[in-house]
Amino acid sequence: DAEITQSPRHKITETGRQVTLACHQTWNHNNMFWYRQDLGHGLRLIHYSYGVQDTNKGEVSDGYSVSRSNTEDLPLTLESAASSQTSVYFCASSESGLYNEQFFGPGTRLTVL
Amino acid sequence: DAKTTQPTSMDCAEGRAANLPCNHSTISGNEYVYWYRQIHSQGPQYIIHGLKNNETNEMASLIITEDRKSSTLILPHATLRDTAVYYCIVRGGYLVQGAQKLVFGQGTRLTINP
Repeated sequence: DAEITQSPRHKITETGRQVTLACHQTWNHNNMFWYRQDLGHGLRLIHYSYGVQDTNKGEVSDGYSVSRSNTEDLPLTLESAASSQTSVYFCASSESGLYNEQFFGPGTRLTVL
Repeated sequence: DAKTTQPTSMDCAEGRAANLPCNHSTISGNEYVYWYRQIHSQGPQYIIHGLKNNETNEMASLIITEDRKSSTLILPHATLRDTAVYYCIVRGGYLVQGAQKLVFGQGTRLTINP
């Protein structure tokens, strides 16, 4: 069955280190998204992509970057991890089109010490 | 973007219908209402969406008022596994090429009691 996976599921890192979170989907969806979830803030959009070589900033993109070299993967990179980036990160994907539902991965819990 | 208002929490007995309300009084004519849920520690899960007609699928029913200013998600026979946070979302932020941007509020924490 098609699915969306994230790795690692848990990560502890230190302030200032570069961290990359992986997201892989097998639905062949053009659209992919990264959200973070913090207590009191719900899910907030970080970056999104509509296809290969396309990336766009969401509402909380500072300190994060993404690249889309193929349809299946959208890795999220924290250039220099900060304690404020301690969060749970969710990746999602959807078909192209205005009203298609998004399918979410299981999440990555990141702790920055 | 249309904003939604949901109760913070609700309780329901197992086997009964769970009715989750949502107000979206500023919804515009071409905006859809979506419902997602998030079971503890998992990623959000799509449930259902609708524009103005009532919708039903294998998970739930969505009742949208005629003026579209509010809606109700109905889980017809709630089970313990339906305990989750339920998010009512009006599609926000029209993005280039039509991909939807989901704006999550705080949702309703639904607890199903045995």
